[in-house]
Amino acid sequence: GESVGLHLPTLSVQEGDNSIINCAYSNSASDYFIWYKQESGKGPQFIIDIRSNMDKRQGQRVTVLLNKTVKHLSLQIAATQPGDSAVYFCAENISNQAGTALIFGKGTTLSVSS
Amino acid sequence: NAGVTQTPKFQVLKTGQSMTLQCAQDMNHEYMSWYRQDPGMGLRLIHYSVGAGITDQGEVPNGYNVSRSTTEDFPLRLLSAAPSQTSVYFCASSYELAVEQYFGPGTRLTVT
Repeated sequence: GESVGLHLPTLSVQEGDNSIINCAYSNSASDYFIWYKQESGKGPQFIIDIRSNMDKRQGQRVTVLLNKTVKHLSLQIAATQPGDSAVYFCAENISNQAGTALIFGKGTTLSVSS
Repeated sequence: NAGVTQTPKFQVLKTGQSMTLQCAQDMNHEYMSWYRQDPGMGLRLIHYSVGAGITDQGEVPNGYNVSRSTTEDFPLRLLSAAPSQTSVYFCASSYELAVEQYFGPGTRLTVT
C-alpha cells in the first residue's frame, strides 16, 4: 500500500490566503522528500525538497516543514494566487532490499478562488 | 534544452495490440523512470533505469517491458494491451537516483 499520503484530497482557499497542504509518511528511514505541483494536462513540476537532517526549508512563497517525530510533512504557500490551483503531491525516498525509489502520495487538489 | 519529451501525446489501442511509448531526455541524466497515473491513485512507478543497459522493476511492472540502449532514450513497450492499462503515462529523468525528477508532458493511453 501507499506509504505516503495526504490528509485531505481537496483544499479550497481564497486568493491572498495562506495555504497549508499536509502529508503523512510511514517509513521512518526515509531521508528525502519532495513536493510536486501538477497542473491539468501537464506533468508534475518540482516545487521544493527537504532532507531529513532539516526541519524547515523555504523557497519563493513556499515553505516545507518536516516533523520526523510524527512523520509529517507540510507545504505552506504564502499569498495563494489563482495560478497556484493544481494538484500537489508529496514524494518520499524509500530504500529497501529492492533498491531506492521515490514513492508518491495520492495528491491534494488546491482550488484558489478570486 | 527540450528537457523530457514523450510521444505520442494521445493513443487509443484495441485490446491485444502492442505499442511503444517513446521517451527522450537531453539533460544527460543517468536515471530515467516510467510512471502511470490513475484517478485517485497518484503516480505509481512501472520501471526505472539507472543507466544505459540497466533496468529494474518498479511497483507495477506487469504488462510492460523497457530497455535502455542509450542514455537519452527509455521506451516503454506494451506487448498486449489490456483495458486495465488505460492511464496517463509519465516519463521522468534525474541526475541521481530518487532525487528531484524532471517529468515529460505525459501520454494519455486508452485501451478499448
